[in-house]
Amino acid sequence: QVHLVESGGGVVQPGKSLRLSCVASQFRFSNYPMHWVRQAPGKGLEWVAVISQDGTYRNFAESLKGRFTISRDNSENKLFLQMNSVEIEDTGVYFCARPSGGYYTPYDSWGQGTRVTVSS
Amino acid sequence: EVVLTQSPATLSVAPGERATLSCRASQSISINLAWYQQKGGQTPRLLIYGGSTRATGVPLRFSGSVSGTEFTLTISSLQSEDFAVYYCQHYNNWPYTFGQGTKLEI
Repeated sequence: QVHLVESGGGVVQPGKSLRLSCVASQFRFSNYPMHWVRQAPGKGLEWVAVISQDGTYRNFAESLKGRFTISRDNSENKLFLQMNSVEIEDTGVYFCARPSGGYYTPYDSWGQGTRVTVSS
Repeated sequence: EVVLTQSPATLSVAPGERATLSCRASQSISINLAWYQQKGGQTPRLLIYGGSTRATGVPLRFSGSVSGTEFTLTISSLQSEDFAVYYCQHYNNWPYTFGQGTKLEI
């Protein structure tokens, strides 16, 4: 059974940085693009970013370009989200998600999420 | 960017009755639309993909349909465990977007 475990969340001040991690297991991590999705408190789901299987292609939600970076380490089955210059609006739960296939497929597996709170 | 508009925002239905949830796309997304169920504080669960295909393990009472850019999720006979928030999501191109959700309540 696919297992995704996020970590790295916490309380961070506006303008600071935070790095989220997602450890994958029980599937061949390097065969799948991976995504980050977030959810603000009491709000809906928002797609954040995607990275290709080999890490050479990345795409971000337009509003986040320039502040967030996505990366992966296939040797350790890990996905990362580097959050820079965080804003109050970045508060929420961040999920890593695996699509069922390659690009343009839905998410069949999600992590439990890691909570980020941006507050002074 | 594709905008997905879900309606209604909240749907009150009695157990055993039918629930119909809608998701309208602002432009063509073929059938590249999924439905997810999210219960309070939990991870979203994939229910339907390709507009009408049930994901593994999803009960038969859940069904999806497509007509152009209008997508519908129908739950034929509501069980107590079905009361949750439902999101549609397109995966036709970047950026993927989600609808704002429909809360299904008793």
